[in-house]
Amino acid sequence: NAGVMQNPRHLVRRRGQEARLRCSPMKGHSHVYWYRQLPEEGLKFMVYLQKENIIDESGMPKERFSAEFPKEGPSILRIQQVVRGDSAAYFCASSPSTDPNTEAFFGQGTRLTVV
Amino acid sequence: LAKTTQPISMDSYEGQEVNITCSHNNIATNDYITWYQQFPSQGPRFIIQGYKTKVTNEVASLFIPADRKSSTLSLPRVSLSDTAVYYCLVGPNQGGKLIFGQGTELSVKP
Repeated sequence: NAGVMQNPRHLVRRRGQEARLRCSPMKGHSHVYWYRQLPEEGLKFMVYLQKENIIDESGMPKERFSAEFPKEGPSILRIQQVVRGDSAAYFCASSPSTDPNTEAFFGQGTRLTVV
Repeated sequence: LAKTTQPISMDSYEGQEVNITCSHNNIATNDYITWYQQFPSQGPRFIIQGYKTKVTNEVASLFIPADRKSSTLSLPRVSLSDTAVYYCLVGPNQGGKLIFGQGTELSVKP
């Protein structure tokens, strides 16, 4: 059973371009979470999705950021018109449910660099 | 969600036992205490979780006093590979919506 797969591992974009980050959850997991980790900071929750639904996007910036988790395929975090401040590591996690004692599994992350 | 306070950094030597204490004065009745480990350039990894008293697994032990206002992660006989950031999280632990603090950066020296 492969773990949470994120790609690409490293992504370089110029200011104003779009960045697309992909996350394939563990097999059997229908809950996906995205986090952002700025340099020298802790992880910040961004968004929680189930298949085809956004459940909680309280941590998402209001503009330029969007996320989806289609019925088929990976979850996508999309950042439009990137700026230097978007440079960070973006982590995806998945879990099989939201029952108490449920463990979340994290991917290796995508490191976005905006130049 | 309860706020947590833990030391920013700790140093240790190989073979020593390391105890990292986390304060969570406002912990709620339905909150669990969970610890994650993060190596550089990797995603966090679950270490241990508990609700009260003591929990032990193959990696660590977690001590929680009766009032649950603090908890201590104990790593027995650390090695260089235990150098990482350790996060204490307190919440209802329903899935993967987790609130991470600054964590404790543990440095293990030879």
